Amino acid sequence: QKEVEQNSGPLSVPEGAIASLNCTYSDRGSQSFFWYRQYSGKSPELIMSIYSNGDKEDGRFTAQLNKASQYVSLLIRDSQPSDSATYLCAVSGLEAGYSTLTFGKGTMLLVSP
Amino acid sequence: DVKVTQSSRYLVKRTGEKVFLECVQDMDHENMFWYRQDPGLGLRLIYFSYDVKMKEKGDIPEGYSVSREKKERFSLILESASTNQTSMYLCASSSLGGRGLFFGSGTQLSVL
Repeated sequence: QKEVEQNSGPLSVPEGAIASLNCTYSDRGSQSFFWYRQYSGKSPELIMSIYSNGDKEDGRFTAQLNKASQYVSLLIRDSQPSDSATYLCAVSGLEAGYSTLTFGKGTMLLVSP
Repeated sequence: DVKVTQSSRYLVKRTGEKVFLECVQDMDHENMFWYRQDPGLGLRLIYFSYDVKMKEKGDIPEGYSVSREKKERFSLILESASTNQTSMYLCASSSLGGRGLFFGSGTQLSVL
């Protein structure tokens, strides 16, 4: 059974700080890694994807991947109250030509003004 | 933008009823998925389909079936609804190679 682990939180940070969200996964064959943001009562929204070791930056978001440690993280710089949401880590392998995602249970982020 | 449309936002059904949840995507995606999301349990995959008329069981297929007669439409069927199927149901789609899933707005199903 593939597993994706996240700290459930809540992670509380003040406005303007850096929020660091972490995720570990069990399947060494995983190839694609995603971060989703989910506001309360809404569906998940894809915000970042990363496929190779290292950092990938998109605006205030940076995804980091370390396949040797089976670890992926999301940094949010200059955190805003509107970033308050649950962040889901998802990991994908490739099986029989198609892929399925395994999701972590999510980390709740609270950004205080 | 990718659009995944689920037919109902809220649905209330009685125990034993047959329930149909409909999902349509407009991006010509090959892969379509049904998840349910429950507090403390996260997102769990029920069924997915990688082609028309093809279906694969996910992690929790018991009590559910699916139908994919057209590429853009993927239906989830609860054969005989039970109270433990009260949940948020999320449909998603992705292109071949699966560079991320795109979700519909979800259906909150209550079975009484």
